[in-house]
Amino acid sequence: SQTIHQWPATLVQPVGSPLSLECTVEGTSNPNLYWYRQAAGRGLQLLFYSVGIGQISSEVPQNLSASRPQDRQFILSSKKLLLSDSGFYLCAWTGTGTGETEAFFGQGTRLTVV
Amino acid sequence: GEDVEQSLFLSVREGDSSVINCTYTDSSSTYLYWYKQEPGAGLQLLTYIFSNMDMKQDQRLTVLLNKKDKHLSLRIADTQTGDSAIYFCAVASNTGNQFYFGTGTSLTVIP
Repeated sequence: SQTIHQWPATLVQPVGSPLSLECTVEGTSNPNLYWYRQAAGRGLQLLFYSVGIGQISSEVPQNLSASRPQDRQFILSSKKLLLSDSGFYLCAWTGTGTGETEAFFGQGTRLTVV
Repeated sequence: GEDVEQSLFLSVREGDSSVINCTYTDSSSTYLYWYKQEPGAGLQLLTYIFSNMDMKQDQRLTVLLNKKDKHLSLRIADTQTGDSAIYFCAVASNTGNQFYFGTGTSLTVIP
């Protein structure tokens, strides 16, 4: 069966520090991968998605970047965190086969920038 | 990109029906979804509907789709306290590569 792992679960980082959040998927090949952010009191915002290794599409300009070094690994990074980067970050994947219609989510990372 | 909108809050009494509404902008969206997020957790798929359907029922859940008005709703019958959560409407782009989510509706069930 397919599973998605996201870590860490919680993170407190000072302003100006770097960030690296990792997401890995098991049990599937060539998934579409996504990073979402859920700010307090707001909905989900699509940050990045990837349809293959090294292929990253950015939905909004921001202080963050994403990379996909391997087929089932998706990394969210920042060189210098801002206070406004605080939020709940969710990684997700979807299949690319016919009839694969569901997005599967990780448990999320609660990031607090102080 | 797609704009997906929901009201932010809904309160209902235990045992009543809840109706959560969603509007979207891209008429070419093929699949439309409802996800549930419990506190501090990721999202779990509740149900989905294909764009050529008007209604889908799954136990206490009823999804209604009005393609003309680009309106999607989720009805929860006999709402229980365990249904308290944030409910997200989501639509998939016609390429299937992107999911767009609404702001989420926080449902509070009053005992």
